[in-house]
Amino acid sequence: QVQLQQSGPGLVKPSQTLSVTCAISGDSVSTISAAWNWIRQSPSRGLEWLGRIYYRSRWHKDYAVFVKSRISINPDTSKNQFSLQLSSVTPEDTAIYYCAREGTSCFDFWGQGTLVTVSS
Amino acid sequence: QSALTQPASVSGSPGQSITIFCTGTSSDVGGYNFVSWYQQHPGKAPKLMIYDVSNRPSGVSNRFSGSKSGNTASLTISGLQAEDEADYYCSSYANTISYFFGTGTKVTVL
Repeated sequence: QVQLQQSGPGLVKPSQTLSVTCAISGDSVSTISAAWNWIRQSPSRGLEWLGRIYYRSRWHKDYAVFVKSRISINPDTSKNQFSLQLSSVTPEDTAIYYCAREGTSCFDFWGQGTLVTVSS
Repeated sequence: QSALTQPASVSGSPGQSITIFCTGTSSDVGGYNFVSWYQQHPGKAPKLMIYDVSNRPSGVSNRFSGSKSGNTASLTISGLQAEDEADYYCSSYANTISYFFGTGTKVTVL
């Protein structure tokens, strides 16, 4: 059974960089049969897909247009995990951040969620 | 970011059937058979209920079914039970190499 365990600070100051990590068990970040995604949820914006990484002979990364200039998703094969970094955050980035495995064009396993608040 | 449109709330009595609609465009729902549905209880992560329009993952009750017509997908819950009370979200792959989610529907069991 795939399990995703998230970790990261719950409070980030405006203009700083948000970082959340997702540790994978029961699968590999380098698998060629899945992709690894970040999704966030807030009362004002609902569920929003942020981006993904996947390995198919080389690493591929896709990012949502509305965060493309600020986001970076990276694998850590030595720890079998992947991470989200979102720079220049504002209070609008306050949300629950989820990591999720993408199987056949759907999100079949989710992390527990990390509430990140952007506030000074 | 363009969200798919869902009704804010749907309700039904135990044993009844309800249907939740999810409306998109030809660039997402209408263009791909990659529509999925998620159930979310308060304080929990979303749970996959339907994928590829009408397929159920192992372990999901056959009371949940999905379909699609044109730019609109739907989720039907038959034999409504108290445990079905939750928020439900649709999602679709889009031609911008991204995913969109629906606005969410709160299901109330009367």
